[in-house]
Amino acid sequence: AQKITQTQPGMFVQEKEAVTLDCTYDTSDPSYGLFWYKQPSSGEMIFLIYQGSYDQQNATEGRYSLNFQKARKSANLVISASQLGDSAMYFCAMRATGTASKLTFGTGTRLQVTL
Amino acid sequence: SAVISQKPSRDICQRGTSLTIQCQVDSQVTMMFWYRQQPGQSLTLIATANQGSEATYESGFVIDKFPISRPNLTFSTLTVSNMSPEDSSIYLCSVVRTSSPDTQYFGPGTRLTVL
Repeated sequence: AQKITQTQPGMFVQEKEAVTLDCTYDTSDPSYGLFWYKQPSSGEMIFLIYQGSYDQQNATEGRYSLNFQKARKSANLVISASQLGDSAMYFCAMRATGTASKLTFGTGTRLQVTL
Repeated sequence: SAVISQKPSRDICQRGTSLTIQCQVDSQVTMMFWYRQQPGQSLTLIATANQGSEATYESGFVIDKFPISRPNLTFSTLTVSNMSPEDSSIYLCSVVRTSSPDTQYFGPGTRLTVL
């Protein structure tokens, strides 16, 4: 069984500052993938970044980077230079490698970017 | 990223009626999934839509309540049958593209309110 834990129900960050959203996971699968999604108030789920368990380097996508610490089973999302448009719910998810496997989601973190 | 459309984007329905949600993808995908997000909650997988065969349902979801079709590689429907207010949720279609097996994208969602 897989489990994702997001311990921060809500976070505040000032515009232009960096923020880290925490995610820890638990799995017995030797190969897996970790995802982060953004969900604005409109309800759509926007894919942000992916990290494979065997990837040697931390994933980066523009202002998003994933701080992957395999031994600690953590996959924190770092958003640099926060913008007002970053205000949204953020979900961490995991999937065992193989497209037949489902995504398991955390409970989410609501990020509010302030002036 | 995949272009995924869902119809309708939102609806308000009466108790006891049924609603069919459509999901259309712009290119062939290997896997299609249907998720539900109840108000204030995270996402839960309803089922995997299999092309040309019966969907694979997760625990707690049954075909009589959530019949699913997938007649080809780019289209699927989810029906929410005999609705009750507890079915009020966002329903999201999700796909894994053939060309990007490590990532998973979501449609814009269908926001359903049952009165």
